[in-house]
Amino acid sequence: DVKVTQSSRYLVKRTGEKVFLECVQDMDHENMFWYRQDPGLGLRLIYFSYDVKMKEKGDIPEGYSVSREKKERFSLILESASTNQTSMYLCAAVTRLGNTIYFGEGSWLTVV
Amino acid sequence: AQSVTQLGSHVSVSEGALVLLRCNYSSSVPPYLFWYVQYPNQGLQLLLKYTSAATLVKGINGFEAEFKKSETSFHLTKPSAHMSDAAEYFCAVSVSNQGGKLIFGQGTELSVKP
Repeated sequence: DVKVTQSSRYLVKRTGEKVFLECVQDMDHENMFWYRQDPGLGLRLIYFSYDVKMKEKGDIPEGYSVSREKKERFSLILESASTNQTSMYLCAAVTRLGNTIYFGEGSWLTVV
Repeated sequence: AQSVTQLGSHVSVSEGALVLLRCNYSSSVPPYLFWYVQYPNQGLQLLLKYTSAATLVKGINGFEAEFKKSETSFHLTKPSAHMSDAAEYFCAVSVSNQGGKLIFGQGTELSVKP
């Protein structure tokens, strides 16, 4: 089975801090995604990447950036955390030719 | 543009009763449709997917969904609910059958009463 690992499950950060959320997948998948999940809004796409050093904006990229230096790792960066970024963040991976997307277990971020 | 609407943010059924979770989509191209389940404090797990083969799709845990193009719907059903089915369910659409990004609905929380 594909494993998508989000190393930080629960984080509490202060307003203005720089926050890194790390995601690692173990199946050599080309495509990776970051979503945020909020009650009543479902999952919304923040950024995605189809290859190393490639990144594309999703539907809600404001306040976020990403890094993909290695194929297996896709990092989400909050340059200056704000309280409205308190949310659950989900990483996902899929092969370029596949249609089954695998999700990590999520990172709960609270910004105070 | 694509979008997904899940009717009912919360559905409650009795154990043994029929489960029906509604999903309608909007897409300018033939869609690929998915249902995911999320148990508390976990990520999403694929239940089933429609990728333009059979319109009635069977998934894991006894769930199935039927693609109805005329109604732009992809409702999820299960004949008999179990307590273990209590979770949040997400419908999603994609324009691509290969490695594409998903657009999700708002989610439906299913409660199962004893």
